[in-house]
Amino acid sequence: EDQVTQSPEALRLQEGESSSLNCSYTVSGLRGLFWYRQDPGKGPEFLFTLYSAGEEKEKERLKATLTKKESFLHITAPKPEDSATYLCAVQAESGGYQKVTFGTGTKLQVIP
Amino acid sequence: ETGVTQTPRHLVMGMTNKKSLKCEQHLGHNAMYWYKQSAKKPLELMFVYNFKEQTENNSVPSRFSPECPNSSHLFLHLHTLQPEDSALYLCASATAPAGQETQYFGPGTRLLVL
Repeated sequence: EDQVTQSPEALRLQEGESSSLNCSYTVSGLRGLFWYRQDPGKGPEFLFTLYSAGEEKEKERLKATLTKKESFLHITAPKPEDSATYLCAVQAESGGYQKVTFGTGTKLQVIP
Repeated sequence: ETGVTQTPRHLVMGMTNKKSLKCEQHLGHNAMYWYKQSAKKPLELMFVYNFKEQTENNSVPSRFSPECPNSSHLFLHLHTLQPEDSALYLCASATAPAGQETQYFGPGTRLLVL
């Protein structure tokens, strides 16, 4: 069974304090790994898709990386507006279907 | 309007009520999804529609009934729900269910079942 585990569950950072969020996965036939940001009371907002080990993508203060077992979302010099829950999801082929499995998320709070 | 919209944004219903959730996407996508999001749990995929045809039903109780009249609209009909069905219901759309597509989510409907 496909599994996605995100850590830590919650993270509190001072403004400007860089850190990383982890998403480890166990799937067969990985087709893609997605990062989303979700603000309270809203739907997830797409950030990145990574397709193969070694791939990296950046957007403003965020950088996502992928290995064969895990993905990291690096946050450089975060600002209070980066506070949100960050969700990781993997897409894998299962029984001829494409299946997407989400993690439970990391709730990030950036203190001014 | 652009993106994925959902109505209503909030819904309170009794266990004997019948209500419907509506989702509309303005992205020209061919696939639409219903997810359930409960506190401390991962998003749970409920239904998948591809070109108006249901392609996945992840063991969802029959008190949830989806309807997809066209590629732009998706409904979730609710009947005799239980308090444990209270959650955020999210709709998403994508270019296709197969392949390396990205799903785009609506804002969700916050449902409370009393």
